[in-house]
Amino acid sequence: ELKVEQNPLFLSMQEGKNYTIYCNYSTTSDRLYWYRQDPGKSLESLFVLLSNGAVKQEGRLMASLDTKARLSTLHITAAVHDLSATYFCAVDSGGGADGLTFGKGTHLIIQP
Amino acid sequence: SAVISQKPSRDICQRGTSLTIQCQVDSQVTMMFWYRQQPGQSLTLIATANQGSEATYESGFVIDKFPISRPNLTFSTLTVSNMSPEDSSIYLCSVVSGGNYGYTFGSGTRLTVV
Repeated sequence: ELKVEQNPLFLSMQEGKNYTIYCNYSTTSDRLYWYRQDPGKSLESLFVLLSNGAVKQEGRLMASLDTKARLSTLHITAAVHDLSATYFCAVDSGGGADGLTFGKGTHLIIQP
Repeated sequence: SAVISQKPSRDICQRGTSLTIQCQVDSQVTMMFWYRQQPGQSLTLIATANQGSEATYESGFVIDKFPISRPNLTFSTLTVSNMSPEDSSIYLCSVVSGGNYGYTFGSGTRLTVV
């Protein structure tokens, strides 16, 4: 059974600081996804990571994937209040046929 | 990537009744996925729906409780049957679309059972 572990589950940080969210998974996969969810909303796709060593950046967010370590990171640089949300990582171990297995999510609060 | 229209966006239902949620995709897709997100929790896959075949359910979910239809390559419904307060959740449909293997999600149905 695929397990996806995300940490921390809750993070409160000051604006301007940097931090990293970690996502470990238990089986071989080279498809790793990051999503953002605002309260009461659906999921917004942030990054799709499809190969070992993949690194993608969008604004203050950068995601990377190490398939050998079964680890992905989401790094936040110089956080701003608008980045407050819940962030999920998810793994596709079935090549698009089996859906996604999600981590528990990181509830991120960025204080002014 | 695909655009999904999901209805209803929210509903409040009496226990013992059923609710059918619809998802319409703007392009043909082979598989559609249905997820449940319980309050304050992550997403859990309920089932995978292929056109022309029975849906495949994940452990802990059964067809009698969550019947799914997939009449064509752009549409699917999920019914939550004989509802109890424990079924209060957000239900989301999802498809794989686009050349980058991204999963797109519907806007979700927020269900409250009273």
